[in-house]
Amino acid sequence: DAMVIQNPRYQVTQFGKPVTLSCSQTLNHNVMYWYQQKSSQAPKLLFHYYDKDFNNEADTPDNFQSRRPNTSFCFLDIRSPGLGDAAMYLCATSREQGFGQFFGPGTRLTVL
Amino acid sequence: AQSVTQLDSHVSVSEGTPVLLRCNYSSSYSPSLFWYVQHPNKGLQLLLKYTSAATLVKGINGFEAEFKKSETSFHLTKPSAHMSDAAEYFCVVPQGSSNTGKLIFGQGTTLQVKP
Repeated sequence: DAMVIQNPRYQVTQFGKPVTLSCSQTLNHNVMYWYQQKSSQAPKLLFHYYDKDFNNEADTPDNFQSRRPNTSFCFLDIRSPGLGDAAMYLCATSREQGFGQFFGPGTRLTVL
Repeated sequence: AQSVTQLDSHVSVSEGTPVLLRCNYSSSYSPSLFWYVQHPNKGLQLLLKYTSAATLVKGINGFEAEFKKSETSFHLTKPSAHMSDAAEYFCVVPQGSSNTGKLIFGQGTTLQVKP
C-alpha cells in the first residue's frame, strides 16, 4: 500500500545531542511537510518542500533544519535539542499544494 | 484570512448514540474544508473533505459532514458511535489561496465514547 513511513517511531536523545528523524513516502507526492505537535495541541507546521524548493515558516527556530535528497525521503534535523523540543513530529505529503495531506504515524521525541 | 473554530474541546457520548462535532469557519471565499482524526500516539488520518462539490460529504468509518455557507459551519456527524471512534478530531482549512499548501487547524475536539 502507498503510504508515509516515519522512523523511528520513538526517539530518545539527550539535551544538546543532535538527532535526525526520517520520513519516506511511496505516494510519489511533490510536497512534503514537517509538523511539531505538543501534547493536547494542534500540529504546528515547521517547514515544507515543494519538490526541491524549501519553505521555512517564519517562527521555526534555526535549531530545526530539513533535507530532501530525493522525492521519496525527507529528514528533520534538530541540531541541539532542548527540553522544549520534546514532542510528536509528524511528516505529511500532498500531491500538490492545496490538496489534502497524508500523514505518517509520527515520531515521539523525548529529550532527557 | 481563513480560520476555523471547533466549538467543543471535549465531547462525550455513549456507544451507539449519535456524534456531533462542531466546526465554524471564517473565510473570504468558499474554502476547502477537511476533518482529520488522530488516535493516541498516531498520525492524522483524513476523514473527509469538502471541495465545493456536494455540500454533504461522506467520509470513512460512517462519518459525514455538511457544509452550510449560511451558517459558516462544517459539523461532523455519525449516526452511531463506536468505541473505536474515541480520538482527537481536527477541523482544518487551507491557508490563503489553494496554492500555499499550508493548513490551519482548529483547536481539536476530544471524543470520548462510553460503553
